[in-house]
Amino acid sequence: EAEVAQSPRYKITEKSQAVAFWCDPISGHATLYWYRQILGQGPELLVQFQDESVVDDSQLPKDRFSAERLKGVDSTLKIQPAELGDSAMYLCASSSRLGSYEQYFGPGTRLTVT
Amino acid sequence: GDSVTQMEGPVTLSEEAFLTINCTYTATGYPSLFWYVQYPGEGLQLLLKATKADDKGSNKGFEATYRKETTSFHLEKGSVQVSDSAVYFCALITRSGNTGKLIFGQGTTLQVKP
Repeated sequence: EAEVAQSPRYKITEKSQAVAFWCDPISGHATLYWYRQILGQGPELLVQFQDESVVDDSQLPKDRFSAERLKGVDSTLKIQPAELGDSAMYLCASSSRLGSYEQYFGPGTRLTVT
Repeated sequence: GDSVTQMEGPVTLSEEAFLTINCTYTATGYPSLFWYVQYPGEGLQLLLKATKADDKGSNKGFEATYRKETTSFHLEKGSVQVSDSAVYFCALITRSGNTGKLIFGQGTTLQVKP
């Protein structure tokens, strides 16, 4: 069964350091999403890609966060510099087409900033 | 803006008990509604969905009916098992143009005891 892959699964970093997360969506899925899930809350969308283009990054803190999907396949989310409040689970999801409600989630990367 | 409100947890039940997790929503237009489940250490999995009023979504013994008049989508299961212990998220998807943005509730933790 096809799955969304994410790495690393866990990351501990010191504040002010840079950190990056990687996501490989299900093969053939054109739409990719990055969500942030703070402990005890539901996920919140950070950025949405259609192929290599950003279609929604309204909730992405652009002063420190960046996301790219250069070839329209895998994607990287970067934080620089990391702050204590960035500690959360970062989830990647993909869907076959824009506007589809069938989003498939990866296992997430748990980030702890010390 | 659009939002989802779930009953607070944790919900603790004995095996074979009846489960209800309440979910209400606020949305413009006609959203699609979902229940996602998150097992410990894993990403979110789509449990069931309903795309229009009066639709009933069902899967693995869980059911939820899209009630437009009460703006609700309560999750039910007639007989829970220990393996159902997880965090359950109610969500809706809103569409702006061709984009689809999932909005989640805060999650309800279910603990089933033998």
